[in-house]
Amino acid sequence: EDKVVQSPLSLVVHEGDTVTLNCSYEVTNFRSLLWYKQEKKAPTFLFMLTSSGIEKKSGRLSSILDKKELSSILNITATQTGDSAIYLCAVGPTQGGSEKLVFGKGTKLTVNP
Amino acid sequence: SQTIHQWPATLVQPVGSPLSLECTVEGTSNPNLYWYRQAAGRGLQLLFYSVGIGQISSEVPQNLSASRPQDRQFILSSKKLLLSDSGFYLCAWSVSPKGWANTEAFFGQGTRLTVV
Repeated sequence: EDKVVQSPLSLVVHEGDTVTLNCSYEVTNFRSLLWYKQEKKAPTFLFMLTSSGIEKKSGRLSSILDKKELSSILNITATQTGDSAIYLCAVGPTQGGSEKLVFGKGTKLTVNP
Repeated sequence: SQTIHQWPATLVQPVGSPLSLECTVEGTSNPNLYWYRQAAGRGLQLLFYSVGIGQISSEVPQNLSASRPQDRQFILSSKKLLLSDSGFYLCAWSVSPKGWANTEAFFGQGTRLTVV
């Protein structure tokens, strides 16, 4: 059974702190790993990772995939209160050529002023 | 550009009543379509996905069913709701991959269902 595990489940930090969120997976025929941010309703896409060791960066957020360890991390530097959200990791295994995304339970990040 | 519409935004239904949630996508053709449920602000549980009209894959045995009567329309239904069906339901779409192309999923705004 395909599985995605995120840790920690929740995290409370102060503005300016740096945080690292973890995602590990067990899926058949891995294709890609995706990170999403969910503030209120619809999750919004952050990164897609397919190759090991190549960091993707967007402002204060960065992410990297380790296919050997079957894991990924999402780093947020100089956190702001606007970073408070649930961060979701998803993995896209292949099944019959379709893209089926399997999500983890998410990490709830709270950034206090 | 592509957009996804999901309605209603909130719904309160009594136990035993039927359910129909609708999702439509504009600006793309032959998308992959998904229904997810999210309980208590946590992770997303995949309920159904569809790669084409009339093609539905069920991930979790439950009180719900899905249908895809048109290419860009995905419907989540139930004949008789249970209390445990309460949750936040999200519809999503992604582009059908070609070869090893990778695609992300785009989400609708969700429906908050409360079964009372």
